[in-house]
Amino acid sequence: KQEVTQIPAALSVPEGENLVLNCSFTDSAIYNLQWFRQDPGKGLTSLLLIQSSQREQTSGRLNASLDKSSGRSTLYIAASQPGDSATYLCAVPNAGGTSYGKLTFGQGTILTVHP
Amino acid sequence: NAGVTQTPKFQVLKTGQSMTLQCAQDMNHEYMSWYRQDPGMGLRLIHYSVGAGITDQGEVPNGYNVSRSTTEDFPLRLLSAAPSQTSVYFCASSYRFDSSLNQPQHFGDGTRLSIL
Repeated sequence: KQEVTQIPAALSVPEGENLVLNCSFTDSAIYNLQWFRQDPGKGLTSLLLIQSSQREQTSGRLNASLDKSSGRSTLYIAASQPGDSATYLCAVPNAGGTSYGKLTFGQGTILTVHP
Repeated sequence: NAGVTQTPKFQVLKTGQSMTLQCAQDMNHEYMSWYRQDPGMGLRLIHYSVGAGITDQGEVPNGYNVSRSTTEDFPLRLLSAAPSQTSVYFCASSYRFDSSLNQPQHFGDGTRLSIL
């Protein structure tokens, strides 16, 4: 059974810092890994989807890396801003069998960027 | 471009009542699913559908029913509400159910449900 773990559970940083969020998964047979952002009381917004054949994916100040063999992904946020404050979730779809499309989520990292 | 629309946004029920959570998407997505989000438990899959007329159980299906009569709609029914079903419910969709196609999943804003 796939298990996804995110470290740290919470992170508080001053504005302007570069930061790294970590995600690890137990079954490396994945097609992709998706990072989401969730604002309080809101749904999930897809930030980046990194395919298993890719090492990195970038969108603006966000950069996600994937190392399938070690079961790890990192989300790098450059020059953090108060508007980045949210919960960040990583998720992987189960590969093969009848599990196509089902996402297994990590517990999330609660990020607070203070001015 | 509405994306995934969930209604209602909030609901309070009494134990034993039934209700339907609505989910609609306008992106012609084949794959739709329902998750519940609970503190300390994260997001867990309830039911999913890979196309109209096809549904299957996820990780926590007990107490919930689904049907998929059209591509656009995927309602979730609580048959007899229990306090353990107090949660935030999210509907998601993606273009194809096959994860190897690397299609991102899109989520609605959620329904916050309290069972008294």
